[in-house]
Amino acid sequence: SQKIEQNSEALNIQEGKTATLTCNYTNYSPAYLQWYRQDPGRGPVFLLLIRENEKEKRKERLKVTFDTTLKQSLFHITASQPADSATYLCALEDSSASKIIFGSGTRLSIRP
Amino acid sequence: GAVVSQHPSWVICKSGTSVKIECRSLDFQATTMFWYRQFPKQSLMLMATSNEGSKATYEQGVEKDKFLINHASLTLSTLTVTSAHPEDSSFYICSARPPGTGRNIQYFGAGTRLSVL
Repeated sequence: SQKIEQNSEALNIQEGKTATLTCNYTNYSPAYLQWYRQDPGRGPVFLLLIRENEKEKRKERLKVTFDTTLKQSLFHITASQPADSATYLCALEDSSASKIIFGSGTRLSIRP
Repeated sequence: GAVVSQHPSWVICKSGTSVKIECRSLDFQATTMFWYRQFPKQSLMLMATSNEGSKATYEQGVEKDKFLINHASLTLSTLTVTSAHPEDSSFYICSARPPGTGRNIQYFGAGTRLSVL
């Protein structure tokens, strides 16, 4: 069956360190993968999209990698800040059905 | 970026009543919108895909007579929870994808928290 798994339900790290979140998928062949941020009681906000032919994508303090052989994406936040505390969701497009499927999310807490 | 507006943000209703939630794309036209449901500390579960001018496509296990979707224009989709019961209490979120280069990205509304008493 198809699965998208974000390995850590919650991650708690010290301010200033790099946070690394993992997204693994099975039985998908996505053309691209996305990461979203969701704050409590709010809708998700798009952060980054990485295509299957891209190994790495950066945006300010964010970096995403995509390994289609391992079927894994890593999401990094460098020089983390308490304001980065949120739930982060990875998402894939199920191209056969033209819909985006979300992982379960990782709740990131950055402590001062 | 594209803006999706969702209304109301919070609604409390009595069991047995119906509740309508609106989702609007403010600065783009959306032939397709998506409705999700989210329980506390869980991910978004796609309920249905709303198609302008045609019937919605519901995910397996979602009752289409319970969750009525109408996509009457290119900027508006509505979700009506009919005869709501306490188990329907949840966070409902809509999204839309703008045409063109940003079509792979979903823009979400702020969500509607439904509490059924």
